[in-house]
Amino acid sequence: AQSVTQLGSHVSVSEGALVLLRCNYSSSVPPYLFWYVQYPNQGLQLLLKYTTGATLVKGINGFEAEFKKSETSFHLTKPSAHMSDAAEYFCAVTPGNNRLAFGKGNQVVVIP
Amino acid sequence: ETGVTQSPTHLIKTRGQQVTLRCSSQSGHNTVSWYQQALGQGPQFIFQYYREEENGRGNFPPRFSGLQFPNYSSELNVNALELDDSALYLCASHTPESTDTQYFGPGTRLTVL
Repeated sequence: AQSVTQLGSHVSVSEGALVLLRCNYSSSVPPYLFWYVQYPNQGLQLLLKYTTGATLVKGINGFEAEFKKSETSFHLTKPSAHMSDAAEYFCAVTPGNNRLAFGKGNQVVVIP
Repeated sequence: ETGVTQSPTHLIKTRGQQVTLRCSSQSGHNTVSWYQQALGQGPQFIFQYYREEENGRGNFPPRFSGLQFPNYSSELNVNALELDDSALYLCASHTPESTDTQYFGPGTRLTVL
């Protein structure tokens, strides 16, 4: 079965500082990996995805993530946090059948 | 191109009642998945429908059931509601050409009292 682990439910970051959200996955087959963002009272919006090919993936809003098979990780980063980045972020994995397995999420708070 | 829509936005029910939630998938999308997101948790996969047939199910009891219609819209039905069914219910759809990307609706917030 596929699963992901996201540590630290709440993450505080100063405006302009690096955003780093960690995701480690467990998968018995080559995984597809995703990061989604959820703003208050809204559904999930896809930030970026890794399926095959280049391991450094660039997404929307300046976010990127790197697939590291040796570390079973897919950490999300953004060089400079903006107030609008305050939201909940979910890492997810699927073996390719669209049945996403999500982590528990990281609530990001941006401090002015 | 219209997005994924869900109705109602909010719903309050009491234990033992039945509820039906609705999802209109994005134009051209023939696969719909439903997820349950409890407070403070990530979404959990309930089931998926492809061309009106159930195409996979997560670890949810049979009182969670669904339908998909010829226009690819979908319903989630929950019988004998329990307090733990209180959650945000999300549906997601995708196209045959882009099976690795799901588009999520805004969700229905169900409260069971």
